[in-house]
Amino acid sequence: AQSVTQPDIHITVSEGASLELRCNYSYGATPYLFWYVQSPGQGLQLLLKYFSGDTLVQGIKGFEAEFKRSQSSFNLRKPSVHWSDAAEYFCAANTGTASKLTFGTGTRLQVTL
Amino acid sequence: DGGITQSPKYLFRKEGQNVTLSCEQNLNHDAMYWYRQDPGQGLRLIYYSQIVNDFQKGDIAEGYSVSREKKESFPLTVTSAQKNPTAFYLCASSETGIREKLFFGSGTQLSVL
Repeated sequence: AQSVTQPDIHITVSEGASLELRCNYSYGATPYLFWYVQSPGQGLQLLLKYFSGDTLVQGIKGFEAEFKRSQSSFNLRKPSVHWSDAAEYFCAANTGTASKLTFGTGTRLQVTL
Repeated sequence: DGGITQSPKYLFRKEGQNVTLSCEQNLNHDAMYWYRQDPGQGLRLIYYSQIVNDFQKGDIAEGYSVSREKKESFPLTVTSAQKNPTAFYLCASSETGIREKLFFGSGTQLSVL
């Protein structure tokens, strides 16, 4: 079955430290890949997306993600975290053959000052 | 400002009662979606619509109904057949299918009295 896995439920980092959130997918073919961010009690906002081409994708708010076909991964990174980055982050995937996304279960990021 | 408006922000349902969640968008998007969010489970698709007067079931449609009589509106009814309706409900829209990014509303928290 197609699935998206985010192995880390909760991550805590210090402000100014680097961040990496993990995402693995299980699909027959390479899916379209997305990272969304959700602030508490709010909707989701797209950070970045990967369809094809350059495997390092730049997004908003200083985030980037790297697609690694050999590892079926699409990890999200940020060199220096700000307190305002505290939120829940969702990885999502779609094969483009049906009008729906499969979301991971999310990783909650806490930032300590 | 263009966006998606969900109302109400909080909703309480009595046993045996149907309730309707409103979703309106002024982005001129063809596609609209309803997701259910439970803690630790990510987002699950309830229904989606790619065009007016047409909609399809998602992964967890049982106990829910929708209509798409206008391009701008995609209301969700939580029926009495949904035995565990307490959740955060998110409406989203996109241009021409799932390859485009989703724009989310700010959600409705539904609780059972």
